Amino acid sequence: GENVEQHPSTLSVQEGDSAVIKCTYSDSASNYFPWYKQELGKRPQLIIDIRSNVGEKKDQRIAVTLNKTAKHFSLHITETQPEDSAVYFCAASPHNFNKFYFGSGTKLNVKP
Amino acid sequence: EAGVTQFPSHSVIEKGQTVTLRCDPISGHDNLYWYRRVMGKEIKFLLHFVKESKQDESGMPNNRFLAERTGGTYSTLKVQPAELEDSGVYFCASSPRLAGVGEQYFGPGTRLTVT
Repeated sequence: GENVEQHPSTLSVQEGDSAVIKCTYSDSASNYFPWYKQELGKRPQLIIDIRSNVGEKKDQRIAVTLNKTAKHFSLHITETQPEDSAVYFCAASPHNFNKFYFGSGTKLNVKP
Repeated sequence: EAGVTQFPSHSVIEKGQTVTLRCDPISGHDNLYWYRRVMGKEIKFLLHFVKESKQDESGMPNNRFLAERTGGTYSTLKVQPAELEDSGVYFCASSPRLAGVGEQYFGPGTRLTVT
């Protein structure tokens, strides 16, 4: 089955700096890659996703890049703000399988 | 639109007891998923319903876990008898798509502690 590795497990940045979280996956059949943000005490919420026919996607301060050859994808947050502090999960979903394989999460702390 | 709801938010039980978790998906969502996160680890898939049918239960740990979705609306996940390693946060998610993959909407989770 699919295996998703996520790094780093914790990340501390100064407000205004950029943050990068990296994930790798093992199954070349995976074609959908969502990123979820879970704030303390709240539900995981989708913040951005990318499909395998696209190499990069941006939404304001967040962007995701995908390298299918290397089987890795990354989340980039620019101009970080304290409200970006949360646990971020990457996930991969193989084609025709309606389930997500998640990474182990990255706890991002943005220091004001 | 109401989101996915889960009940209870927390449950503390002793080893050997039974616990039933409930999930109410977003109205009209045919797909319902259960996931679990054990402390500090990844969110792991347990099973997937399409309406009332189990589409994929490959992630269920063992036969102490029983999931149902009678009538294709809410779902329950029963653990009987509970073991220490069952502790974790149980998430439910739902999605409207019948085919293909897209966003899954998560509930707030049920934190289960088995002592």
